[in-house]
Amino acid sequence: RKEVEQDPGPFNVPEGATVAFNCTYSNSASQSFFWYRQDCRKEPKLLMSVYSSGNEDGRFTAQLNRASQYISLLIRDSKLSDSATYLCVVNPNTGGFKTIFGAGTRLFVKA
Amino acid sequence: GAGVSQSPRYKVAKRGQDVALRCDPISGHVSLFWYQQALGQGPEFLTYFQNEAQLDKSGLPSDRFFAERPEGSVSTLKIQRTQQEDSAVYLCASSLPRTGGAYEQYFGPGTRLTVT
Repeated sequence: RKEVEQDPGPFNVPEGATVAFNCTYSNSASQSFFWYRQDCRKEPKLLMSVYSSGNEDGRFTAQLNRASQYISLLIRDSKLSDSATYLCVVNPNTGGFKTIFGAGTRLFVKA
Repeated sequence: GAGVSQSPRYKVAKRGQDVALRCDPISGHVSLFWYQQALGQGPEFLTYFQNEAQLDKSGLPSDRFFAERPEGSVSTLKIQRTQQEDSAVYLCASSLPRTGGAYEQYFGPGTRLTVT
């Protein structure tokens, strides 16, 4: 089992739709979680941190479910500019400083 | 302010050549990460520095890969005797470590290495 797993998609949604992605992680001791977005041939950019209590930033909401070991990202009122790959990131807290990225979920928002 | 910069942006090397990739982190960021990203995959962790100390090199794929950050600022990733499987984008990220070790990382544009 991979340490961090994401559905690769692609998710094809119309503008204005609500879309949600999940990401599962294998190490129950993991402490820190993030969502990044990456546009084609660009570097990853931090979208938001994921706190135990959840986190909301405008149209974006992130949740953490420790019992089931997954994090989620919800995008409301999708915009064309939301089209990107969304990367789930976990710090597994195994004594080192390794940061683990998922392979990403591709989102296409259509007019 | 200035973000993370990397140079060169593109590098073509013949198999067997040595290459050196440079990263200039955001000023004041003590943490620096190197990643390797293959096409269609997420970034894979290579190594981590806190100031000049290399605290984790568990992701370096072989002893041909070497990284340094001698003065705690600019970092160099060196790959000796490059192989075709080294072809990838090499990303550098820097951060200010937060309480509990949460790293919000800021990435440079990457160096695209092609080994022919």
